[in-house]
Amino acid sequence: DAGVIQSPRHEVTEMGQEVTLRCKPISGHDYLFWYRQTMMRGLELLIYFNNNVPIDDSGMPEDRFSAKMPNASFSTLKIQPSEPRDSAVYFCASSLRTVTQPQHFGDGTRLSIL
Amino acid sequence: KNEVEQSPQNLTAQEGEFITINCSYSVGISALHWLQQHPGGGIVSLFMLSSGKKKHGRLIATINIQEKHSSLHITASHPRDSAVYICAVYSNTGNQFYFGTGTSLTVIP
Repeated sequence: DAGVIQSPRHEVTEMGQEVTLRCKPISGHDYLFWYRQTMMRGLELLIYFNNNVPIDDSGMPEDRFSAKMPNASFSTLKIQPSEPRDSAVYFCASSLRTVTQPQHFGDGTRLSIL
Repeated sequence: KNEVEQSPQNLTAQEGEFITINCSYSVGISALHWLQQHPGGGIVSLFMLSSGKKKHGRLIATINIQEKHSSLHITASHPRDSAVYICAVYSNTGNQFYFGTGTSLTVIP
């Protein structure tokens, strides 16, 4: 049974470039979450979706960040333009039926902005 | 002000010891999650609690809603339990999650 799949696993790019992170949730899961983790700030929830609709995006740091979920099996997190302070590990997670169900995490994307 | 406070921040234990990690929160919640993150980064959801107590193997999680406090216990600790343990709560107002800064546990053989 496939878990949450994130791509790429690692991304290194130069400041100012557009970065797109991808996530495929577990089939049948209704909720999808995007997180960012840094040493300074720990784990932060950026945005989450229910049935492809964004529910809470208050954690999105600024307009340079955007997330979409065009269908139940795919979501993207985009940063444009990227800045060095965006360097972090970005996790995607999904959960079944309700937001209070256990979340299943992907392996994360380690992003480095030079 | 942090809505979720964990203690201790760091913990070192000998193999076999009983371990307790604490989580206190200041908001009304619908649920509380305990997450485990091993070195190398993968995150696993250990428990989701809204009341009472849950047990899975050597791990036990309890929550006291009135006192706004949860504990994660590990019995007969093992070096493979070495990880960061993160407490997260889902607020019952505002659809928001709040996270603790984590407790870094090292179990020495």
